[in-house]
Amino acid sequence: KNEVEQSPQNLTAQEGEFITINCSYSVGISALHWLQQHPGGGIVSLFMLSSGKKKHGRLIATINIQEKHSSLHITASHPRDSAVYICAADKLIFGTGTRLQVFP
Amino acid sequence: GAGVSQSPRYKVAKRGQDVALRCDPISGHVSLFWYQQALGQGPEFLTYFQNEAQLDKSGLPSDRFFAERPEGSVSTLKIQRTQQEDSAVYLCASSYDRAYEQYFGPGTRLTVT
Repeated sequence: KNEVEQSPQNLTAQEGEFITINCSYSVGISALHWLQQHPGGGIVSLFMLSSGKKKHGRLIATINIQEKHSSLHITASHPRDSAVYICAADKLIFGTGTRLQVFP
Repeated sequence: GAGVSQSPRYKVAKRGQDVALRCDPISGHVSLFWYQQALGQGPEFLTYFQNEAQLDKSGLPSDRFFAERPEGSVSTLKIQRTQQEDSAVYLCASSYDRAYEQYFGPGTRLTVT
């Protein structure tokens, strides 16, 4: 069993839909990262959070430390949101990623 | 300011050759990380520096892999006697300090033929 697991592995959506990607971890952490990786490989850090909720534009990340669970939400999804979304525990343990495709 | 840069962006090596991959972190960033990302997989941790000190090298897959950061800024990942299974994208990231957000470079795509 991976120490960081994401679901779903693949996700397709229509433009405008609300999207949720889930991450569960079994290791103790002080922070959890959400990363976005576009085709071609570039990785961008979206959020680093250790409690509660953070919001940036249409992206919202939440974490429940007791349940060892985090979610990434995308509101009003757009085709440019199509990417692989990766959660990573701060002990440098990565989930396998969620491949999101948003169709117009 | 400039982000994290890596060079070369692409490298093709024949099996058995040695390669050196360079990472220029963001100026002033104390922490530097190297990751390996095989095709279709998520990144996997290789090693971590705090300034010039290599604090964690538990992810290096074999003793053919060696990383250094002698002056606490630029880092080099060296792979000796490359094998086909070393083919991957090698990502470098830096952060202000260990507990801060990481900024990733574009990666070096290594293909071993």
